[in-house]
Amino acid sequence: QVQLVESGGGVVQPGRSLRLSCAASDFTFETSAMHWVRQAPGKGLEWVARISHDGGNTYYADSVKGRFTISRDNSKNTMYLQMSNLRTEDTAVYYCAKAVGLWEKLRLDSWGQGTLVTVSS
Amino acid sequence: DIQMTQAPSSLSASVGDRVTITCRASQIISSYLNWYQQKPGQAPKLLIYSASSLQSGVPSRFSGSGSGADFTLTISTLQPEDFATYYCQQSYSTRWTFGQGTKVEI
Repeated sequence: QVQLVESGGGVVQPGRSLRLSCAASDFTFETSAMHWVRQAPGKGLEWVARISHDGGNTYYADSVKGRFTISRDNSKNTMYLQMSNLRTEDTAVYYCAKAVGLWEKLRLDSWGQGTLVTVSS
Repeated sequence: DIQMTQAPSSLSASVGDRVTITCRASQIISSYLNWYQQKPGQAPKLLIYSASSLQSGVPSRFSGSGSGADFTLTISTLQPEDFATYYCQQSYSTRWTFGQGTKVEI
């Protein structure tokens, strides 16, 4: 049973930084691409970022590009999201998700339970 | 970025109804289209991938169709546990995007 456990959420002031972690277990983490997806209170899902299995390729949504950095440590089976210059509109539950498949079969087949980030003064 | 537009945004249905949700991409995305279900307070759950492939463990009353830019999620016979919000998502581009969601309620 794949397990993904997010941590690091909390309340932070605008302009400050926060680092989220996603601890993975019960699957071969080092061969899996990983994603972050967020959901603002009462809103829909928003894709945030993705990272290839070896960390060599990363992509970001325009809304976070230049402020957020996705990374991973395969020796620790952990993915990270470093969030800087946070804005009130970054307030959301942040989910990590595991990707599987190739080409048109690419999908997010396992999700964590999420960690809440609140940006407020 | 590729924009994904779902219709309707919400719908009212009854147990036993056939429900259809549509998703339109702003450009051709072949079959790079997934569907997820989300219930309140829970993480999303994958239902359909590659437009029409049923994820393992998902009941067969869920089906997906379409290719190119227009896609459909169908629930053949709505069950009580199917009241939820449904999202389409494209994996065609390097930056993925979700539809705005369709809430299925009583």
